[in-house]
Amino acid sequence: DIQMTQSPSTLSASVGDRVTITCRASQSISSWLAWYQQKPGKAPKLLIYKASSLESGVPSRFSGSGSGTEFTLTISSLQPDDFATYYCQQYYNYWTFGQGTKVEIK
Amino acid sequence: EVQLVESGGVLVQPGGSLRLSCAASGFTFSTYSMNWVRQAPGKGLEWVSYISSSSSNIYYADSVKGRFTISRDNAKNSLYLQMNSLRAEDTAVYYCASGSGSFPFDPWGQGTLVTVSS
Repeated sequence: DIQMTQSPSTLSASVGDRVTITCRASQSISSWLAWYQQKPGKAPKLLIYKASSLESGVPSRFSGSGSGTEFTLTISSLQPDDFATYYCQQYYNYWTFGQGTKVEIK
Repeated sequence: EVQLVESGGVLVQPGGSLRLSCAASGFTFSTYSMNWVRQAPGKGLEWVSYISSSSSNIYYADSVKGRFTISRDNAKNSLYLQMNSLRAEDTAVYYCASGSGSFPFDPWGQGTLVTVSS
């Protein structure tokens, strides 16, 4: 089974900050990685697919990079609507999610 | 509008059974692979089961293998999850979502809460 490890688990930041979340796979997954945003009581929302492709309608301040086993999600300038929990997911071999990164207000 | 709507979540006793449903609309359901994903209270996301568009390929997470059965009715645009021998650790919000080995999970339903408790 492929394990996905996100860091940090919690991130405290202010509006306007540049934020980076890291996701590591236990083995190479090429670029078969997605990022989701989830707010309390809501379903996850797809942000990034194929490691770096921005889903339609997602603001351009979100970007993804990486391949193989190391991936990052970057929010270039944190907005009030971005305080949420973020999950990475591999879809190379079955499907596995990272444990999540909660972005909270500093 | 593309929409997935889950239903069937209730309070059930340990050892009991339950069937969840997911109604799809706004897209050609019969051509899309589907999944169930769950989220225990305060915890992260866990993939539960996958079914291909024609039901020819079905997979389960080890945590539910032998107890849960995924199925679909393309004529009714519906996805199902039959859950047997339920345990307290199955307590979670269950989401249906479209996705496969080549596509991420999108869209998602709003979720339905299953509580396993005596």
